[in-house]
Amino acid sequence: DAEITQSPRHKITETGRQVTLACHQTWNHNNMFWYRQDLGHGLRLIHYSYGVQDTNKGEVSDGYSVSRSNTEDLPLTLESAASSQTSVYFCASSSGATDTQYFGPGTRLTVL
Amino acid sequence: LAKTTQPISMDSYEGQEVNITCSHNNIATNDYITWYQQFPSQGPRFIIQGYKTKVTNEVASLFIPADRKSSTLSLPRVSLSDTAVYYCLVGRPYSGAGSYQLTFGKGTKLSVIP
Repeated sequence: DAEITQSPRHKITETGRQVTLACHQTWNHNNMFWYRQDLGHGLRLIHYSYGVQDTNKGEVSDGYSVSRSNTEDLPLTLESAASSQTSVYFCASSSGATDTQYFGPGTRLTVL
Repeated sequence: LAKTTQPISMDSYEGQEVNITCSHNNIATNDYITWYQQFPSQGPRFIIQGYKTKVTNEVASLFIPADRKSSTLSLPRVSLSDTAVYYCLVGRPYSGAGSYQLTFGKGTKLSVIP
């Protein structure tokens, strides 16, 4: 069955370190998204991609970057982790036809 | 971007029908209305999507009045397992490169009471 996976599921890092969160989908979807979820804020869009080599900034993109070298993967990189980036991160993908998004299980990141 | 407004929280007893209303006064002609459900420690899950009138699936019904400025998600006979956060999103299907059109708000936290 097609699925979307995220790794690691939990990560603890230190301020200033570079961190990369992986997202892999086997739906063959063109669209992929990264969100962060903090208590009281719902989900906020970080970056998104409509296809290979395409990346776009969402509403909270500062301090994050993504690259899309193939259809299946959209890794999210925190260039220099900050305590304010402690959050739960969700990756999602969609085919675009109706824009229904399929979400991964999430990665809980703690920056000390 | 169409902004949505929905109640922060709702309580319901088991077995009751629950209706969650979402306001979206500036919905555009090509916008669809989509609802997601999120359980604790999980990613959101698609529930239902509609454009106008009524849509029903095995999980819920979605009622959209003619002016489309609001929509109501109806959950029949809720159980404890329906306790979750429900998000209303308004936006258009992707039709080409451009800015992303869908935004998740804070959602409605539904608590089902035994």
